[in-house]
Amino acid sequence: GAGVSQTPSNKVTEKGKYVELRCDPISGHTALYWYRQSLGQGPEFLIYFQGTGAADDSGLPNDRFFAVRPEGSVSTLKIQRTERGDSAVYLCASSPQADWYNEQFFGPGTRLTVL
Amino acid sequence: KNEVEQSPQNLTAQEGEFITINCSYSVGISALHWLQQHPGGGIVSLFMLSSGKKKHGRLIATINIQEKHSSLHITASHPRDSAVYICAVAYTDKLIFGTGTRLQVFP
Repeated sequence: GAGVSQTPSNKVTEKGKYVELRCDPISGHTALYWYRQSLGQGPEFLIYFQGTGAADDSGLPNDRFFAVRPEGSVSTLKIQRTERGDSAVYLCASSPQADWYNEQFFGPGTRLTVL
Repeated sequence: KNEVEQSPQNLTAQEGEFITINCSYSVGISALHWLQQHPGGGIVSLFMLSSGKKKHGRLIATINIQEKHSSLHITASHPRDSAVYICAVAYTDKLIFGTGTRLQVFP
């Protein structure tokens, strides 16, 4: 079956612009996670959803970042007034349940470059 | 100090060598994951451990909860094993990741 997909694969934007990054999880997976990976670093937790609700958004760096999952499937990560420091690979993962004993399935990531 | 530390940061090996990658953590965890990341970003989950040892093919993962330490071993390494190996610990409701170990296996 289809894995986790993310679009776009690459996004180049100018400082100050608004961007949306999309994640399509594996069908039936109730848990969805967003991570950010800077060059040479491990992924960093941003937010996770259990169903439609954000169960933990404590990793979002500031109020310019927001994520939604209105129907409990596709999720969108939204970044307002982008800054150069937002440049990173944004990874999405899904899991059957929000239980750390379950494997997380990762998407290929969206590489965001803010000029 | 990072909550999850991996060593070494970089590792080169000749094909056929036995590889060990180490992960130490400083927080109480419910589980530990080993992940593999190939160039271009794709991450694949290799193991999830909460105790003891797991084996899958040429890969073996061990964890010592008391010592807060885990190791990933690769037997009979092959150039296709070249990737970044990442340790991640499940702490409260989050995964905390190490910075990864970049492995290159030469023929």
